[in-house]
Amino acid sequence: DIVMTQSPDSLAVSLGERATINCKSSQSVLYSSNNKNYLAWYQQKSGQPPKLLIYWASTRESGVPDRFSGSGSGTDFTLTISSLQAEDVAVYYCQQYYSTLFTFGPGTKVDIK
Amino acid sequence: QVQLVQSGAEVKKPGASVKVSCKASGYTFTSYGISWVRQAPGQGLEWMGWISAYNGNTNYAQKLQGRVTMTTDTSTSTAYMELRSLRSDDTAVYYCASFNSSGPFDYWGQGTLVTVSS
Repeated sequence: DIVMTQSPDSLAVSLGERATINCKSSQSVLYSSNNKNYLAWYQQKSGQPPKLLIYWASTRESGVPDRFSGSGSGTDFTLTISSLQAEDVAVYYCQQYYSTLFTFGPGTKVDIK
Repeated sequence: QVQLVQSGAEVKKPGASVKVSCKASGYTFTSYGISWVRQAPGQGLEWMGWISAYNGNTNYAQKLQGRVTMTTDTSTSTAYMELRSLRSDDTAVYYCASFNSSGPFDYWGQGTLVTVSS
């Protein structure tokens, strides 16, 4: 199975400041035939199901604010919230869908400082 | 709009089985797969397996092999997840999620709390 790791486990950022979350996969999730990274990011607020934010490592889901961006390729990926808002308090998970044995990262909790 | 509506909370004794349903609407059910993901209290997301609503093919997480069965009823656009020989560490919120054959989980159900307790 592809193992996903995330760092940090948690972070607290002041309103309006940048939050950066890292995700690493144990093997590349870049599919060479289409040059796509099979990597998604989800946001889960307390008491709610996860919500898809970003897929193909950098494509924002419809309706997701542009302060959320994804980057990276191969095995190393980053989710950036450019200007943290109060409503962004949540746990963020990365997920690989390169293998149909889908796996999630352990999550990163984002809070307001 | 796409909706996945799951069945209600369950309380089960150790050793029993539970079957959770996930009714889809707003899209062509057989065009997508359904994955099941669970989340123990205060923990992260654990992928359990998926089923193709097109042909019924399944793929289960190794740790649940032999205890989990996923099925679909295309006549009612409903997916089911049955977990047997329940243990206390199966206590979790169980989610269904839809996905395209090569894509992420784009829509999620509201979750079903399954509590295993004697």
